[in-house]
Amino acid sequence: DIRLTQSPSTLSASVGDRVTITCRASQSINSWLAWYQQRPGKAPKFLVYNTSNLESGVPSRFSGSGSGTEFTLTISSLQPDDSATYHCQHWLGFLWTFGQGTKLEIK
Amino acid sequence: EVQLLESGGGLVQPGGSLRLSCTASGFRFSAYWMHWVRQVPGKGLVWVSRIYSDGSATNYADFVEGRFIISRDNAKNRLYMQMDSLRGDDTAVYYCARGDRGGFDVWGQGTMVTVSS
Repeated sequence: DIRLTQSPSTLSASVGDRVTITCRASQSINSWLAWYQQRPGKAPKFLVYNTSNLESGVPSRFSGSGSGTEFTLTISSLQPDDSATYHCQHWLGFLWTFGQGTKLEIK
Repeated sequence: EVQLLESGGGLVQPGGSLRLSCTASGFRFSAYWMHWVRQVPGKGLVWVSRIYSDGSATNYADFVEGRFIISRDNAKNRLYMQMDSLRGDDTAVYYCARGDRGGFDVWGQGTMVTVSS
């Protein structure tokens, strides 16, 4: 089975910073890689699908990229509202796999 | 408004059973795959099960295979999860989610299942 490992596990950054979260797969995967934002006590929110496609309504400061075994979620200019945990997720056949999550805090 | 609303969670003893429900509104429920995803509080998300749009096929994570059954009633816009032989490590928040574009684009608010004596 494919395993997804996110780094870092926690991240502290300032408003306006450029932030990158990495999702590494245990083997080369297809492009069906998605990202979610989850605030405490809330359900996850769909941010990015198929590696780099932004879900409707998601601010353009979010972007996704990658291929093979390494994928990234980038926030170009961090906003206070971006404080949350971010999860990557991959789909292959009958399996949907998540990373362990990255907690992003605002300094 | 597109919405999913779960119900049926609660406290159950080890070995017991519980049936979760998820009511969909605001979209053509019968057109979508539907999933259950769970999360132990403070931990990551874990996919549990998927059902085809017409209910003709289902898939399960290994850790629930043979204990959980996913089903749906498209006439009622409802998704279900029958959970039997529950164990302590099944304790989690259970989310129903709509499947689309390789991921889960709509989520319910979650329902807490606690398995404890």
